[in-house]
Amino acid sequence: DAGVIQSPRHEVTEMGQEVTLRCKLISGHNSLFWYRQTMMRGLELLIYFNNNVPIDDSGMPEDRFSAKMPNASFSTLKIQPSEPRDSAVYFCASSLNQQDGYTFGSGTRLTVV
Amino acid sequence: GESVGLHLPTLSVQEGDNSIINCAYSNSASDYFIWYKQESGKGPQFIIDIRSNMDKRQGQRVTVLLNKTVKHLSLQIAATQPGDSAVYFCAENAGGTSYGKLTFGQGTILTVHP
Repeated sequence: DAGVIQSPRHEVTEMGQEVTLRCKLISGHNSLFWYRQTMMRGLELLIYFNNNVPIDDSGMPEDRFSAKMPNASFSTLKIQPSEPRDSAVYFCASSLNQQDGYTFGSGTRLTVV
Repeated sequence: GESVGLHLPTLSVQEGDNSIINCAYSNSASDYFIWYKQESGKGPQFIIDIRSNMDKRQGQRVTVLLNKTVKHLSLQIAATQPGDSAVYFCAENAGGTSYGKLTFGQGTILTVHP
């Protein structure tokens, strides 16, 4: 199994541009989590899905952030418009039925200039 | 605890020593706990987990201890190796309506000297 796959690994964009981060779950997993990591705030849960349904999006910072699961194995996190304070490493993780150790991807390092 | 702040706790040990990393959690309703290891440039990697109906669980070279009375979790690494150098996070799952919502601690930097 290739594990959780995120793309791109690095993204540099200008303020105001739309950014889309992508995540492919581990085959057979049905829960998907998006986290953001910064030095100031550590690892923060943004949103999570179970069986393609968003369960808790209370961690999404603002309306500029949106996440979708168009199918059971894929998710996107979109920021529109992006701002410099969105610069962080964004991780997705997947699990089976929200149980057991969640498996993280390698992350996308986003820099908004 | 909250994942806020620039200054992570640090632990420096010599190769071959045992390491103990501590974590205080905040939610008495949490019923599932995980330790993760994060190396530079990588995502958090699962090490070991424990459920609230247990107070100790052992893996390969690692042991997790849970004290629900004082809401304390620890990770013990036996015969620490340079490859163990990383940031270690504890995470808690509050269960109930928050089931699935894994909240991370601030992390501890472990440095192992050869």
